[in-house]
Amino acid sequence: GAVVSQHPSWVICKSGTSVKIECRSLDFQATTMFWYRQFPKQSLMLMATSNEGSKATYEQGVEKDKFLINHASLTLSTLTVTSAHPEDSSFYICSATKGAYQETQYFGPGTRLLVL
Amino acid sequence: EDKVVQSPLSLVVHEGDTVTLNCSYEVTNFRSLLWYKQEKKAPTFLFMLTSSGIEKKSGRLSSILDKKELFSILNITATQTGDSAVYLCATDDSWGKLQFGAGTQVVVTP
Repeated sequence: GAVVSQHPSWVICKSGTSVKIECRSLDFQATTMFWYRQFPKQSLMLMATSNEGSKATYEQGVEKDKFLINHASLTLSTLTVTSAHPEDSSFYICSATKGAYQETQYFGPGTRLLVL
Repeated sequence: EDKVVQSPLSLVVHEGDTVTLNCSYEVTNFRSLLWYKQEKKAPTFLFMLTSSGIEKKSGRLSSILDKKELFSILNITATQTGDSAVYLCATDDSWGKLQFGAGTQVVVTP
């Protein structure tokens, strides 16, 4: 199997607070994890790619100081939305691959963030 | 600039109809094309296509890739209400990065 979990599944927070989202590969070691964001009625947009033990690579237009990614182990990556604002409200989805440049990405169930 | 374009953006069909979804792409370092089904959660994997002209089938769903004309189609036959979803097409490059199309929303009415 290849199961990816995310926690929390949904979160509501006040503007200005920081929110941490965890992505875990439950039954495999994930060399690479990806973070996506999906706004309502839009497609998934890749935010960043993270490899265990190294700094994340952010896509153009994604602020690395606002979306902090840590991939400290082969089974866990975290995304922290710092000083969240209402426009950060979105569906955040992570995915993981079993090895470097492997083709299949296994998606987590997603985290819905609502910033009031 | 790389792009993945899906059409139509949405369609409504009756149960039992057949639908054909289109996905065209212009992507550097293309490695494979993937189809996903998304309901109100994260996408679930349907197919991965690497070679041209080889149809992949899973039940009532099938898909094929044309690497010369740079497109893929996803067919759903004998549609059921449970097929109602957004269908996403994505290309995978040699670095393992996925680029998604905007999706096609399919509504199957009883």
